[in-house]
Amino acid sequence: EVQLVESGGGLVQPGGSLRLSCAASGFSFSHHWMDWVRQAPGKGLEWVANINQDGSAKNYVDSVKGRFTISRDNARDSLYLQMNSLRPDDTAIYYCSESLIYWGQGALVSVSS
Amino acid sequence: DVQMTQSPSSLSASVGDRVTITCRASLDINNDLSWYQQKAGEAPKSLIYGTSNLQSGVPSKFSGSGSGTEFSLTISSLQPEDFATYYCLQYNRYPRTFGPGTEVEIK
Repeated sequence: EVQLVESGGGLVQPGGSLRLSCAASGFSFSHHWMDWVRQAPGKGLEWVANINQDGSAKNYVDSVKGRFTISRDNARDSLYLQMNSLRPDDTAIYYCSESLIYWGQGALVSVSS
Repeated sequence: DVQMTQSPSSLSASVGDRVTITCRASLDINNDLSWYQQKAGEAPKSLIYGTSNLQSGVPSKFSGSGSGTEFSLTISSLQPEDFATYYCLQYNRYPRTFGPGTEVEIK
């Protein structure tokens, strides 16, 4: 059974940083693209970033370019999202996803002073 | 960016009804279109990929069709567990973009 478990969410002040982690199990992690998708409170889904199997290709939505970095550790079956210069409009539930097929339950990130 | 629109934004339907949701892309995305179901407080669930291919374990009452810029999701006979919000997603170009969602409510 595919399992994706996010961690690292929390409350952070504007301008601060946070690192999300996603622990994967139940599939060959190193063989799959991985994505981060977010959902602001009461709003729709927004794709944030993805990364290819060996980490050599990364793509981002414009609103996070230069602030967020996606990475992975295939030895640990883990996906990461380093978020810097956080803004209030980054407040959302962040979902880890395997190829936009399987999804974790999400981690809440709140950016507020 | 590819802009995705959905219609209607919400609908009220009864158990047993046939329901169709439409998704339009601002440019040709080939058949690179997926559908998701999201219930309140839960993560999205993948229903359909490649416009019309059912994900494993998804019941056949769900079906998808379309091509180019216009796509649709049909639920053949609405059941209580189908009341949720449905999103389309294009994965033909970056950034990936979702439609704004269609909320399916109980009449």
